[in-house]
Amino acid sequence: AQSVAQPEDQVNVAEGNPLTVKCTYSVSGNPYLFWYVQYPNRGLQFLLKYITGDNLVKGSYGFEAEFNKSQTSFHLKKPSALVSDSALYFCAVRGGLTTSGTYKYIFGTGTRLKVLA
Amino acid sequence: NAGVTQTPKFQVLKTGQSMTLQCAQDMNHEYMSWYRQDPGMGLRLIHYSVGAGITDQGEVPNGYNVSRSTTEDFPLRLLSAAPSQTSVYFCASSLTGRYGNSPLHFGNGTRLTVT
Repeated sequence: AQSVAQPEDQVNVAEGNPLTVKCTYSVSGNPYLFWYVQYPNRGLQFLLKYITGDNLVKGSYGFEAEFNKSQTSFHLKKPSALVSDSALYFCAVRGGLTTSGTYKYIFGTGTRLKVLA
Repeated sequence: NAGVTQTPKFQVLKTGQSMTLQCAQDMNHEYMSWYRQDPGMGLRLIHYSVGAGITDQGEVPNGYNVSRSTTEDFPLRLLSAAPSQTSVYFCASSLTGRYGNSPLHFGNGTRLTVT
């Protein structure tokens, strides 16, 4: 069964330092992977996705993610963190095909990023 | 474009009461879904729809009903509210669910408390 794990509940980083939010996955076949961000009292916003192609994917707000097939990981990164990046981050993976002929999405439990001034 | 609009933003119910959470999207998206978000559990899929007139159950469907009479609207009904349904509910849509490569667009959520 497809699954995704975010091993850290919280990540603290100083403003201006690089940040990494970790995600590992388990799927059969090729993975379709996503990152979303949730600001307080808001819905999730799409940041980036990996479907195929280059292992380094660039997304919104200066974020990027590195797909590593051998380590089954899809870590979110940013070269220089901002205080405004403080939020809850979710990794998601395409789940199995349903009887409706559509795919579900499986979300991780989320990682809270705190960028300290 | 408004995107995905959810109403109400907050709701308090007594055990046994029923209510409908509204969701509308103006992007002509084929796929719509409802999730609940609980601390430490991520997002769990309640129900989803691949088009008008077609709905299916997700991971945690018990106690909830949905219908999709139009492309735009996908209301979620709580039949008889229970304290275990206290949660934040999100409606999300995507262009299609057929390939699993379309990002989801989320509403801002409904925070429901059942006492």
